[in-house]
Amino acid sequence: EVQLVQSGAEVKKPGESLKISCKGSGYSFPNYWIGWVRQMPGKGLEWMGIIYPGDSDTRYSPSFQGQVTISADKSISTAYLQWSSLKASDTAIYYCARAGLGGPGAFDYWGQGILVTVSS
Amino acid sequence: EIVLTQSPATLSLSPGERATLSCRASQSVSSYLAWYQQKPGQAPRLLIYDASNRATGIPARFSGSGSGTDFTLTISSLEPEDFAVYYCQQRSNWIFTFGPGTKVDIK
Repeated sequence: EVQLVQSGAEVKKPGESLKISCKGSGYSFPNYWIGWVRQMPGKGLEWMGIIYPGDSDTRYSPSFQGQVTISADKSISTAYLQWSSLKASDTAIYYCARAGLGGPGAFDYWGQGILVTVSS
Repeated sequence: EIVLTQSPATLSLSPGERATLSCRASQSVSSYLAWYQQKPGQAPRLLIYDASNRATGIPARFSGSGSGTDFTLTISSLEPEDFAVYYCQQRSNWIFTFGPGTKVDIK
């Protein structure tokens, strides 16, 4: 069974750094792109970026380029999303998702989401 | 960057009715057009990929169509569990974008 299990909820202060994780299982992790999606409170879905764990090829949304870093460690089947200096506006739910279908153009499996709260 | 527009923003229907949701792209997209369903407190679920292919386990009442800049998700007969928010999403030149969503609520 394909699963993406994300790390737990985080509460941080502005200016702090953070790295959240997404562990894949039940499939060949290096061979499928993993994307990250933000959902701010009460809002829609925003694509942040995507990584191919096999060679760490990474693409970013222009809106998030330079704001976050996406990485992966294929040896432990885990992808990461990190911030060096959080802002209150980073408060959101962050999902990882496998891009496994359509080219890949579609996210067929999703993690459960991580609520990140940034507040002083 | 391709912008997706979804209409209507809200669709109020009764169980058993047909739902027709629209997704329009600011420029022609390849076949990489997908539809997702999201219920409160849950992660999105893939319904349709490549504009018209149902994902594994998705009931036949969900269908997708369209090409170029105009795409449609149709739910042939709404079940109680179908009331949710629906998003379209495209991939072009390795940039993915989501539409703003259509909320299907109970009339």
